[in-house]
Amino acid sequence: DIQMTQSPSTLSASVGDRVTITCRASQSISSWLAWYQQKPGKAPKLLIYKASSLQSGVPSRFSGSGSGTEFTLTISSLQPDDFATYYCQQHNSYSVTFGGGTKVEIK
Amino acid sequence: QVQLVESGGGVVQPGRSLRLSCAASGFSFSSYGMHWVRQAPGKGLEWVAVIWYDGSTKYYVDSVKGRFTISRDNQKNTLYLQMNSLRAEDTAVYYCARDRKSIPAVGTDDVFDFWGQGTMVTVSS
Repeated sequence: DIQMTQSPSTLSASVGDRVTITCRASQSISSWLAWYQQKPGKAPKLLIYKASSLQSGVPSRFSGSGSGTEFTLTISSLQPDDFATYYCQQHNSYSVTFGGGTKVEIK
Repeated sequence: QVQLVESGGGVVQPGRSLRLSCAASGFSFSSYGMHWVRQAPGKGLEWVAVIWYDGSTKYYVDSVKGRFTISRDNQKNTLYLQMNSLRAEDTAVYYCARDRKSIPAVGTDDVFDFWGQGTMVTVSS
């Protein structure tokens, strides 16, 4: 199975900050990477797919980049609604795997 | 609007069975692949299984192969997960999720664009 490693596991930031989360794959997954946002007690929400494609309805402050084994999710200006846990997910193979998550906390 | 509503969760003893359901509305259910994804308490997400739009193809994570069966009834717009020989490590919130890809595209994208609210399964004696 392809292992996905996210860093950091926790991130403290303030409203208006630029935030970057990294996701690394144990082998090349081309651009088959998605990002999700999850708030406590809620289902995840799709933000980005194919590494950099913004899902319909997601604010443009979210962006994704990368290919191969290294990927990033960037929030250009953190908003109060963005404090949540973020997961990356590879969709290169039928055995889909997620990263361990990055919790974005209020500083 | 797209709605996915899971049901069937509960507390069950190890070794017993449970069947989850996911009622879909607001879209052409028979045109989309569907998935189950679970999340153990306080833990991350784990993909469990996928079924193609017509039920012809199914895949599972290794840890549930031979114990769980995914199925669908396109007439009833409902997705199922039959879980047998349950173990403590199957304790989780189970989400059904829609695949981003629809027919006429072949196969699934394995990206989950809509999710249900989840149903809790607790395996404990």
